[in-house]
Amino acid sequence: ETGVTQTPRHLVMGMTNKKSLKCEQHLGHNAMYWYKQSAKKPLELMFVYNFKEQTENNSVPSRFSPECPNSSHLFLHLHTLQPEDSALYLCASSQPGTTGGNEQFFGPGTRLTVL
Amino acid sequence: AQKITQTQPGMFVQEKEAVTLDCTYDTSDQSYGLFWYKQPSSGEMIFLIYQGSYDEQNATEGRYSLNFQKARKSANLVISASQLGDSAMYFCAMRELIYNQGGKLIFGQGTELSVKP
Repeated sequence: ETGVTQTPRHLVMGMTNKKSLKCEQHLGHNAMYWYKQSAKKPLELMFVYNFKEQTENNSVPSRFSPECPNSSHLFLHLHTLQPEDSALYLCASSQPGTTGGNEQFFGPGTRLTVL
Repeated sequence: AQKITQTQPGMFVQEKEAVTLDCTYDTSDQSYGLFWYKQPSSGEMIFLIYQGSYDEQNATEGRYSLNFQKARKSANLVISASQLGDSAMYFCAMRELIYNQGGKLIFGQGTELSVKP
């Protein structure tokens, strides 16, 4: 496996379910991110982890709970979601630093539908 | 607060012609980076090109070039010799450069490009 992978690719869940999204990067990066992309809206940053520490929480509701056990893995735990949480959830990774582009590499996303 | 504006919701271009996608930004930071990403219908965000705020020359990557005008706070993407596979959503993004940290990307609304055969 190369790059950034995300599982599952599609998820349908009820409002009372608990599920988790998984992201894994094989690029040796030390920063990982969760983004939400709703229809007709720009991507919204949710969380940032640098060296396994959460450095950004963009006022995300507590029904979304991230976990970063190591620099290669990032999870997003979901519970009691609302229909408006239906969106494409994208994971990304990058190498921290200020030189060069340090572009973020994205996974294919998980398309979540909350019924 | 940082902000990215893409004023073209949709664009059409004839195959083999060049097209410019507009992007303006607003920031009070001195050190920042500007990025363009392509998002095909599959959903994955594909990095295209990067321009640093201190870079004096416009960035180029193959058929992609970034027309960076710092005083006007614009970072337009130019795609030369358009191909059918270029049909996708294109997002402009900005990142504050923080030492030894992965900085958050602020995205624009996107421009949907359609290439006509």
